[in-house]
Amino acid sequence: EAGVTQFPSHSVIEKGQTVTLRCDPISGHDNLYWYRRVMGKEIKFLLHFVKESKQDESGMPNNRFLAERTGGTYSTLKVQPAELEDSGVYFCASSQKTTGRYGYGYTFGSGTRLTVV
Amino acid sequence: EDQVTQSPEALRLQEGESSSLNCSYTVSGLRGLFWYRQDPGKGPEFLFTLYSAGEEKEKERLKATLTKKESFLHITAPKPEDSATYLCAVRYYGGSQGNLIFGKGTKLSVKP
Repeated sequence: EAGVTQFPSHSVIEKGQTVTLRCDPISGHDNLYWYRRVMGKEIKFLLHFVKESKQDESGMPNNRFLAERTGGTYSTLKVQPAELEDSGVYFCASSQKTTGRYGYGYTFGSGTRLTVV
Repeated sequence: EDQVTQSPEALRLQEGESSSLNCSYTVSGLRGLFWYRQDPGKGPEFLFTLYSAGEEKEKERLKATLTKKESFLHITAPKPEDSATYLCAVRYYGGSQGNLIFGKGTKLSVKP
């Protein structure tokens, strides 16, 4: 099966510009997650979609970040306006099951490296 | 404060030299501990999930164990292709699905 696809793989933008990241989860995966890794720090959770609904967006840094998942398929993460501290690698992951013993692992994409200059 | 600490930050081994990576955690209640492998330029790749103290899981040269405060990833007779960053992540009571706390990782290098 195709994995989780993210694009672009790299993006360099100027401070104040807008950038949109896209994630295509594994087909049939209802759960989609966004994470971010800032240089030198650990990966941190941003938000969780179940189909098209936001289940948990407690990790979103501020209102400059907007995530959507139209039709419960692909998701976009928009940063507007971008600031220097938004630089990092943004990962998307997906999973199928919502219940059970959580024995499944989340499947990650390769990430989008965002550089704000 | 809930947190996950991995040690060492980096580990260099000779091929065939067995060792262990540590992941210690402080959370309000453990719902699952995950181990991932990450290669440069790639996303984390799922290895194991552990739920309760005493549980063990194995995959090829890797074996993960769990106690009430920490987890170990044992690597037996490693090969150069085992070189990667190994990440530990924890899901805790009160956190939603996917709301994982990650450690910073251990970068493993295995020399032939």
